[in-house]
Amino acid sequence: KAGVTQTPRYLIKTRGQQVTLSCSPISGHRSVSWYQQTPGQGLQFLFEYFSETQRNKGNFPGRFSGRQFSNSRSEMNVSTLELGDSALYLCASSAGMGETQYFGPGTRLLVL
Amino acid sequence: GDSVTQMEGPVTLSEEACLTINCTYTATGYPSLFWYVQYPGEGLQLLLKATKADDKGSNKGFEATYRKETTSFHLEKGSVQVSDSAVYFCALGSPNNAGNMLTFGGGTRLMVKP
Repeated sequence: KAGVTQTPRYLIKTRGQQVTLSCSPISGHRSVSWYQQTPGQGLQFLFEYFSETQRNKGNFPGRFSGRQFSNSRSEMNVSTLELGDSALYLCASSAGMGETQYFGPGTRLLVL
Repeated sequence: GDSVTQMEGPVTLSEEACLTINCTYTATGYPSLFWYVQYPGEGLQLLLKATKADDKGSNKGFEATYRKETTSFHLEKGSVQVSDSAVYFCALGSPNNAGNMLTFGGGTRLMVKP
């Protein structure tokens, strides 16, 4: 099976812009989770989607949002970008509740 | 809330040395425990996992045992290789089947010298 894929792999934006990141899960996986990785805060959970519904949400401002489509692909959107949003954004998929999560290679976002 | 504490790195070892990376956790219920590894410029790869007390996860010579009494999940390897150089993350999964949220430790960088 193909692994989790994320696009784009690298992105450069300026403050105030918005960005959309995409994640395609492993075939058959219905749960997609998003994480932010920064040197200062480490790995932090953003949100999880299962069958097009947000099931869990981390402690991030409303500028961070996401959605999941009927084919389980997920997108994450960040509006009004700030310098502190520069990070590696990781997507993970799993077959169901409590199942192992498998991570994609990440999208590295740089906000200037 | 749930939390994971890992020993801080970097850990520098010579090839064929023994490795132990300490990991302790705080959680309600009975979480699953994981070790993930991240190589430079890449995402996270699952190294091993354990889903209940006294379970031992193992993969590629690495082992970790789920110790409920000490709330620990230490990663061990008897003989490290240069190719093991990476950052290792201990994580716990949502207890009580509350979803698929992972809580990570801060990561431990391992550097193995020839």
